Amino acid sequence: DIVMIQSPDSLAVSLGERATINCKSSQSVLYSSNNKNYLAWYQQKPGQPPKLLTYWASTRESGVPDRFSGSGSGTDFTLTISSLQAEDVAVYYCQQYYNTPLTFGGGTKVEIK
Amino acid sequence: EVQLVESGGGLVKPGGSLRLSCAASGFTFSNAWMNWVRQAPGKGLEWVGRIKSNTDGGTTDYAAPVKGRFTISRDDSENTLYLQMNSLKAEDTGVYYCTTAGAMIGVVKWLLGVWGQGTLVTVSS
Repeated sequence: DIVMIQSPDSLAVSLGERATINCKSSQSVLYSSNNKNYLAWYQQKPGQPPKLLTYWASTRESGVPDRFSGSGSGTDFTLTISSLQAEDVAVYYCQQYYNTPLTFGGGTKVEIK
Repeated sequence: EVQLVESGGGLVKPGGSLRLSCAASGFTFSNAWMNWVRQAPGKGLEWVGRIKSNTDGGTTDYAAPVKGRFTISRDDSENTLYLQMNSLKAEDTGVYYCTTAGAMIGVVKWLLGVWGQGTLVTVSS
């Protein structure tokens, strides 16, 4: 199984400041035949189901604000919120869809400082 | 509008059984690969398993903790996904989400683009 490790477990950021979340996979999720990273990011607000933010490591889902950006390749990935807004308070999860079992990182809780 | 509505959760004793349902609408259910993902109280997300579309073989895959105890099935005529859970344990407690690619089906069939609101399963004596 591919193990996904996120860091930090939580972070507090001032409104308007940058938030950076890291995700590391135990093996590469880069598929050589199409040069795509099978890595997605989700946002989960309290009492709600997760919401897909990005896929292919860096492609934003339709309707996701451009302050959210994903980057990285192979085994190391980052989700950046460029200017934190109050509505961004949530838990963020990375997930690999390279193979089954699909696996998630442990989550990073983002709060307002 | 793509919609997934889970039902069937509740309180069950250890060793008992429960069947969850997920009613789908707003997309071509028969083409979709359908997944179950669960979340224990206050914990992270755990993929439970999936069933491919019948045109892709209709096969199932399961996470190790549920393999042999849980069974995923689908009724394309009713646009409904099922999760039969047997030999339930306390550690199976959590919210169970039905999820599928939705509009992402043209990108990757096994992306989790659309989620239901979830149904709570509590395993306790």
